Amino acid sequence: GESVGLHLPTLSVQEGDNSIINCAYSNSASDYFIWYKQESGKGPQFIIDIRSNMDKRQGQRVTVLLNKTVKHLSLQIAATQPGDSAVYFCAENYAGDQGGKLIFGQGTELSVKP
Amino acid sequence: DAGVTQSPTHLIKTRGQHVTLRCSPISGHKSVSWYQQVLGQGPQFIFQYYEKEERGRGNFPDRFSARQFPNYSSELNVNALLLGDSALYLCASSSGTHTDTQYFGPGTRLTVL
Repeated sequence: GESVGLHLPTLSVQEGDNSIINCAYSNSASDYFIWYKQESGKGPQFIIDIRSNMDKRQGQRVTVLLNKTVKHLSLQIAATQPGDSAVYFCAENYAGDQGGKLIFGQGTELSVKP
Repeated sequence: DAGVTQSPTHLIKTRGQHVTLRCSPISGHKSVSWYQQVLGQGPQFIFQYYEKEERGRGNFPDRFSARQFPNYSSELNVNALLLGDSALYLCASSSGTHTDTQYFGPGTRLTVL
């Protein structure tokens, strides 16, 4: 039978295509959102962030969109390259207490075919 | 500049033992957070420390404890290890406020037999 947590959503794209990775967050009080990339055997690597007073932010080849109405976040990667293959996590920063703990989504595994 | 460093890289323990994991933050960062990442899942928050004070704690048993030193490095201690504690333990550092980006280290892979 299936093991909970071992089946990440996967996205397979052709090299050069654009990728869109989606994420639903849980807490309407979260005010800061981050996308991380995690390669096998490594720690999460910061990609891009966005604050709740924005709905779009662009970086180099990456764009993050935030829809607070439906609590949805997306990461767009332009001209996807084989080096983009990794697991991508969205994280929300809950500032309900004085700290800033990150709440991570399940993750999406991106596979880029050459 | 060096990023977040963690030691050891890998560790194998048996049930009932205790373990100490270490983290050095990015130079100038005053906040350290610890996360547990079980295979196939996202990291789960354990603790956050800022200026040697605990600022936040996740839903983990009292077997888990941590501290931060005057040089802002940190230790995570886990007592009475269980098989389910096998995971990648990640340390992240940030400047200090809750909207500061948290930068992660490479993690310590703990295996409990």
